[in-house]
Amino acid sequence: DAMVIQNPRYQVTQFGKPVTLSCSQTLNHNVMYWYQQKSSQAPKLLFHYYDKDFNNEADTPDNFQSRRPNTSFCFLDIRSPGLGDAAMYLCATSRDNRGNEKLFFGSGTQLSVL
Amino acid sequence: GESVGLHLPTLSVQEGDNSIINCAYSNSASDYFIWYKQESGKGPQFIIDIRSNMDKRQGQRVTVLLNKTVKHLSLQIAATQPGDSAVYFCATQGAGNTPLVFGKGTRLSVIA
Repeated sequence: DAMVIQNPRYQVTQFGKPVTLSCSQTLNHNVMYWYQQKSSQAPKLLFHYYDKDFNNEADTPDNFQSRRPNTSFCFLDIRSPGLGDAAMYLCATSRDNRGNEKLFFGSGTQLSVL
Repeated sequence: GESVGLHLPTLSVQEGDNSIINCAYSNSASDYFIWYKQESGKGPQFIIDIRSNMDKRQGQRVTVLLNKTVKHLSLQIAATQPGDSAVYFCATQGAGNTPLVFGKGTRLSVIA
């Protein structure tokens, strides 16, 4: 029944070691989002894809990259994780991005940086 | 810029009582509003939404009220249950292709 699936559920990486988080969706939605959520804070949008068009938020560090090889999959790459990048990473989808579209979230990947 | 905030960071209610969670927003151009529930260690789960051309919308045990005059949004949960314990986020979106902006969240604790 899961519609937005994130793997792994928990990820541990070392300081500076590249890490990739995965997201897949069965909703056939056009838009896929990556959010960062730190403890007790609101989710913060990093970037999103509308189909193959990548939209980066102005304050997203260059350390964060994303790939969307097809409609169903989207990846978050953190090139050189720092201690401050430890957070929950949430993937979400929406049917479109023209407004009034609710987002469907995955369960998240909790990233720890040692 | 747009900001979305909540009046109370924590709310404790007795099981069976009604809960009211409030949210203020600053962008008068906001025209879509959503409430999400997030349980510990999980992603946000959609509860209910409302568009700016409405001032009230009801779901199962939940009601969202929108007051555009004072830019205020509230979520009412009837007969609160232990399973309602979670952090609740309001989120708002402007017209067109603008991102959803989340508020800070209110933690609801239900006392059995």
